[in-house]
Amino acid sequence: DQQVKQNSPSLSVQEGRISILNCDYTNSMFDYFLWYKKYPAEGPTFLISISSIKDKNEDGRFTVFLNKSAKHLSLHIVPSQPGDSAVYFCAASDTGGGADGLTFGKGTHLIIQP
Amino acid sequence: KAGVTQTPRYLIKTRGQQVTLSCSPISGHRSVSWYQQTPGQGLQFLFEYFSETQRNKGNFPGRFSGRQFSNSRSEMNVSTLELGDSALYLCASSLGTSGRYHEQYFGPGTRLTVT
Repeated sequence: DQQVKQNSPSLSVQEGRISILNCDYTNSMFDYFLWYKKYPAEGPTFLISISSIKDKNEDGRFTVFLNKSAKHLSLHIVPSQPGDSAVYFCAASDTGGGADGLTFGKGTHLIIQP
Repeated sequence: KAGVTQTPRYLIKTRGQQVTLSCSPISGHRSVSWYQQTPGQGLQFLFEYFSETQRNKGNFPGRFSGRQFSNSRSEMNVSTLELGDSALYLCASSLGTSGRYHEQYFGPGTRLTVT
């Protein structure tokens, strides 16, 4: 059973527009969420995180929104740039004692078109 | 500050063999986690070591094992390799235990191909 789901395997967005990547989770014990970005032949790099006590966290062009009642989070990138083309992974953690480390979604391949 | 390094970067093995992968964390980091990335399953957590002790373990068979040394370097071992073990194996280090508000820093991974 996949506890973190990224239902869009790929997303194509025009340069300068907003990119919205979505993530859903099923485990109500998750209380910390992260987004990672991955280029080919490299490991994922941390982008932004959010704790369940917040509903929004912003860092430059990146904003993560958390809707706990819907068990849904999204990553907004504004404006989108060509260098943003990568695979984005959503990850979740139960910091209260979960034994499974970080649980990742399968990723969304974001393609920024010029 | 040097990043997380993994060796080797690429590896080809045959079914039934065993393999050992190595990970050197960022200096000062005491937690090392291992993940398997495959196209079908995405990133899956294997295990985490903190101060030479296995703290967490994912849902993988006992053929997958690991250890951590006093200098925080970690190795993972896969015995009796199967074709399905072909994957990118990623190591990540962090200051504290993963998921406890410390972001993990990933290495570039070891690409294992089992033939």
